[in-house]
Amino acid sequence: NAGVTQTPKFQVLKTGQSMTLQCAQDMNHEYMSWYRQDPGMGLRLIHYSVGAGITDQGEVPNGYNVSRSTTEDFPLRLLSAAPSQTSVYFCASRGGVGKLFFGSGTQLSVL
Amino acid sequence: SQQGEEDPQALSIQEGENATMNCSYKTSINNLQWYRQNSGRGLVHLILIRSNEREKHSGRLRVTLDTSKKSSSLLITASRAADTASYFCATGGSGAGSYQLTFGKGTKLSVIP
Repeated sequence: NAGVTQTPKFQVLKTGQSMTLQCAQDMNHEYMSWYRQDPGMGLRLIHYSVGAGITDQGEVPNGYNVSRSTTEDFPLRLLSAAPSQTSVYFCASRGGVGKLFFGSGTQLSVL
Repeated sequence: SQQGEEDPQALSIQEGENATMNCSYKTSINNLQWYRQNSGRGLVHLILIRSNEREKHSGRLRVTLDTSKKSSSLLITASRAADTASYFCATGGSGAGSYQLTFGKGTKLSVIP
């Protein structure tokens, strides 16, 4: 049982480049979310989805785009990367109301 | 903005001692959860306590919740070196608020062998 799988684990971008962070879960969870973690800031919610075709903004959505075409996948797109988006990104899913299952994270550096 | 705030920011203890971390929050909640994060890894769920519960146990973990003071504490008894990690509290609301679990900044625990 793989749980929540994130790719890539590391990525370096130049300012203005675009990329997609991948997230997949095999637990048939309806709810999926993206967080970013910065030193001293804890985790902040970027976007979340409560099912295929349904997405909503979290606390820090600017500069990020999401879509949810299947229950399993919830990719996060950076349209034009900025140094302020240097962070560690975590995808998480859950079934019902309760605990989140986290992926292992993507460490992103924007130069 | 951050809902939960952990205290202390960092804690260093000897193996075998108990570790206590506190979490304060600002608005009414449906549940409060504690997570552990080992260095360079994702977060792992430890325990969930609902707003109508006052205390919950899981192995060496004991969590209390005081909704009148909007605070929670996590006690790890008989700590081990493997407990070295950062610990985060997270609060969840009811209804649509349950979709936005809000994390604090964490307590960094170091257990010295």
